[in-house]
Amino acid sequence: DAGITQSPRHKVTETGTPVTLRCHQTENHRYMYWYRQDPGHGLRLIHYSYGVKDTDKGEVSDGYSVSRSKTEDFLLTLESATSSQTSVYFCAITGGLQIYGYTFGSGTRLTVV
Amino acid sequence: RKEVEQDPGPFNVPEGATVAFNCTYSNSASQSFFWYRQDCRKEPKLLMSVYSSGNEDGRFTAQLNRASQYISLLIRDSKLSDSATYLCVVNTAEGAGGTSYGKLTFGQGTILTVHP
Repeated sequence: DAGITQSPRHKVTETGTPVTLRCHQTENHRYMYWYRQDPGHGLRLIHYSYGVKDTDKGEVSDGYSVSRSKTEDFLLTLESATSSQTSVYFCAITGGLQIYGYTFGSGTRLTVV
Repeated sequence: RKEVEQDPGPFNVPEGATVAFNCTYSNSASQSFFWYRQDCRKEPKLLMSVYSSGNEDGRFTAQLNRASQYISLLIRDSKLSDSATYLCVVNTAEGAGGTSYGKLTFGQGTILTVHP
């Protein structure tokens, strides 16, 4: 399997606190993505990166920011967590989208109370 | 209209049955197509890519009809281990200057349960 890990795996946080999720890859892939998955909505793109310091918004980016200072790390920050951000967050990478699609990390289950 | 639509099911079938899933997509510029499988509380995993000529991988057959913007997945001789959610996924390349940023759009998934 591709080397992609997410941390933490589970987190409970309080409303209004900042939270940072980390995605780490060992594949040297250029493209990295953050998705959230919720019942009734499926997987929705939050932000993505196409290189170091190169990021762009997805369809549900409000309340989230990202950073990519190194090829291997893509951080997702919830600036002030809200209950609507309770979700499962998946990071994904690709080494050749047309053929390989994405490889996903194991996910982070975030609960905002 | 959603970009990628699937029948959510659930489909409940006995072992050995043949089951088919359908998917439609709205963007005619979509370039590549996939089926992913997701087990409960796990990450999605690539099941197979879908090619215009149709392709087969063991008991799984995928078809693409670009004119109708329709994708299908056929599972023959269902096994208990096939129980999962099946996600239809479409790639519509975006980006300036010819650069593809490769954004995948996911359907909501079709739930399959195979029972003894």
